[in-house]
Amino acid sequence: DIQLTQSPSFLSASVGDRVTITCRASQGINSYLAWYQQKPGKAPKLLIYTASTLQTGVPSRFSGSGSGTEFTLAIGSLQPEDFASYYCQQLDSYPLTFGGGTKVELK
Amino acid sequence: EVQLVESGGGLVQPGGSLRLSCAASGFTFSDHYMDWVRQAPGKGLEWVARIRNKANSHTTEYAASVKGRFTISRDDSTDSLYLHMNSLNTEDTAVYYCSRYYYNSRDRAFDYWGQGTLVTVSS
Repeated sequence: DIQLTQSPSFLSASVGDRVTITCRASQGINSYLAWYQQKPGKAPKLLIYTASTLQTGVPSRFSGSGSGTEFTLAIGSLQPEDFASYYCQQLDSYPLTFGGGTKVELK
Repeated sequence: EVQLVESGGGLVQPGGSLRLSCAASGFTFSDHYMDWVRQAPGKGLEWVARIRNKANSHTTEYAASVKGRFTISRDDSTDSLYLHMNSLNTEDTAVYYCSRYYYNSRDRAFDYWGQGTLVTVSS
């Protein structure tokens, strides 16, 4: 199975900060890496797919990068609605796996 | 507008069974692969199962943790997805989400998700 290691697990930040979250895969995943945002009590929402493609309707302050085994989600200027949990997911091979998540909290 | 609405969750005793449903609308359901993903209370996301479209013979894939106990199925005539769960144990307690799989020659993602249905396994 492909393991995805997200870091950090928790991130404390202020409105306006730039934040980055890293996702490392245990083996290459051909850029089949997606990022999701989840707010408490809600379903995950797709932000980024194929490592760097912004989903329609997602603000441009979100961006994804990386290839091979290391990927990054960046939020250019944190907004109040961005305080949430973020998960990466690999869609290269079965079983499909998710990272452990990163909770972005207000400092 | 794409909508996925899960139902069928509830309280079940260990060893029991349950069937979850997901009603899809707003897109051509029969064209899409569909997946179930779960989330235990306070934990992360775990992929559970996939069923491919008719063009790919409705073949299925499962996570090791549910293989042999859970069965994913679909009814394209009613735009419905199902998850039949048997031999449930406390570790199956989770919110279960259905999701639509989006893919082409370059891209793959779960682009739409339902609101989830809670399954609690407890005596």
